[in-house]
Amino acid sequence: SQELEQSPQSLIVQEGKNLTINCTSSKTLYGLYWYKQKYGEGLIFLMMLQKGGEEKSHEKITAKLDEKKQQSSLHITASQPSHAGIYLCGADMDAGGTSYGKLTFGQGTILTVHP
Amino acid sequence: DTEVTQTPKHLVMGMTNKKSLKCEQHMGHRAMYWYKQKAKKPPELMFVYSYEKLSINESVPSRFSPECPNSSLLNLHLHALQPEDSALYLCASSLEQRSGNTIYFGEGSWLTVV
Repeated sequence: SQELEQSPQSLIVQEGKNLTINCTSSKTLYGLYWYKQKYGEGLIFLMMLQKGGEEKSHEKITAKLDEKKQQSSLHITASQPSHAGIYLCGADMDAGGTSYGKLTFGQGTILTVHP
Repeated sequence: DTEVTQTPKHLVMGMTNKKSLKCEQHMGHRAMYWYKQKAKKPPELMFVYSYEKLSINESVPSRFSPECPNSSLLNLHLHALQPEDSALYLCASSLEQRSGNTIYFGEGSWLTVV
């Protein structure tokens, strides 16, 4: 089983609709990152969450980390075709921090937004 | 500016060739990373450099040889690669190798081994 489970694997929505992507672990997440990737390109940083209960927003994207620091969600409001791509959650699972930089990634969610 | 620049964008090499991938950042970051991403898979860590010293090597085969000549540059030297090494190689950097520092990725270098 994956250390970081991401769901759904793919999502097709109509422009203007809201959507949520989830990222779940059985272990504590000491840093949770959300990235967006276009196929074959680099990762674009979206947000980083560290504290239990933390919530951050940027433009129409909101990310939350639950109080237990084992689950995060990414919510997009009023989706647009420009939101299409692969969304990846990545987590630092090292309590001691000595392996920081070793992000464990979920399998990704492929988002398609139809105009 | 949160830019990590990687060259070349595409590289095709034979199994007996020697080539290098290059990565550069001018954000004053002291931690730099190499990740490998196979098609339709998530990225996996290969190496981490912290203050120009190798900090993490994820048991990567010796045909991949990293080098950090200064705090702004990171190279990945490639020699005697196998076709299964074909992948997207991503460079990343952060202010320090410490929790709480955002990790920024470059656009990647597509490597094809023939």
